[in-house]
Amino acid sequence: QQQVKQSPQSLIVQKGGISIINCAYENTAFDYFPWYQQFPGKGPALLIAIRPDVSEKKEGRFTISFNKSAKQFSLHIMDSQPGDSATYFCAAVNSGGGADGLTFGKGTHLIIQP
Amino acid sequence: DAGVTQSPTHLIKTRGQQVTLRCSPKSGHDTVSWYQQALGQGPQFIFQYYEEEERQRGNFPDRFSGHQFPNYSSELNVNALLLGDSALYLCASSLVDTWSTDTQYFGPGTRLTVL
Repeated sequence: QQQVKQSPQSLIVQKGGISIINCAYENTAFDYFPWYQQFPGKGPALLIAIRPDVSEKKEGRFTISFNKSAKQFSLHIMDSQPGDSATYFCAAVNSGGGADGLTFGKGTHLIIQP
Repeated sequence: DAGVTQSPTHLIKTRGQQVTLRCSPKSGHDTVSWYQQALGQGPQFIFQYYEEEERQRGNFPDRFSGHQFPNYSSELNVNALLLGDSALYLCASSLVDTWSTDTQYFGPGTRLTVL
């Protein structure tokens, strides 16, 4: 059972454009939603995270938008750069101590064309 | 300051064999979590170790076991390997009090191929 659904599977954006990746979750016990960036041959690295008590969080060019009622959240990358080309994973967790650890989406392979 | 290190980088085994993967956490971290990342998929939580005990476990069979040593390093053991165990195995370290919300630092992973 996939508890976090991520789309699209792959995405091509022109340099300077906006990259948008969407995730939806099912488990209402999730209360922390991080995004990870993974380059080939590397482990995932935390990019930005949000809790459901806020609807938006911005860090530099990266913004998370969160819709609690729809159980959806998204990552926006503004002014996308070739160095942003990577695989992005959304994740969710019940920080109170569920048995599943971080639950990840399947990932989005992002390519920024120069 | 070394981050999370894992060994070996790559490993090839045959069905039915046993394998041991190793992880050294980031300096100052006391909790180690293991994840399995199949090709084209997101990581899946296997289990977490703290104070040398398994603290949390995901939906993985008993063929997957682990150990944490007094210096916080950890091992992942997989017995009776199946073709489906072929994956990238990731280790992540953190501090126990904030493991689920604070930054989990991931290692580069061990690529296991089962033939």
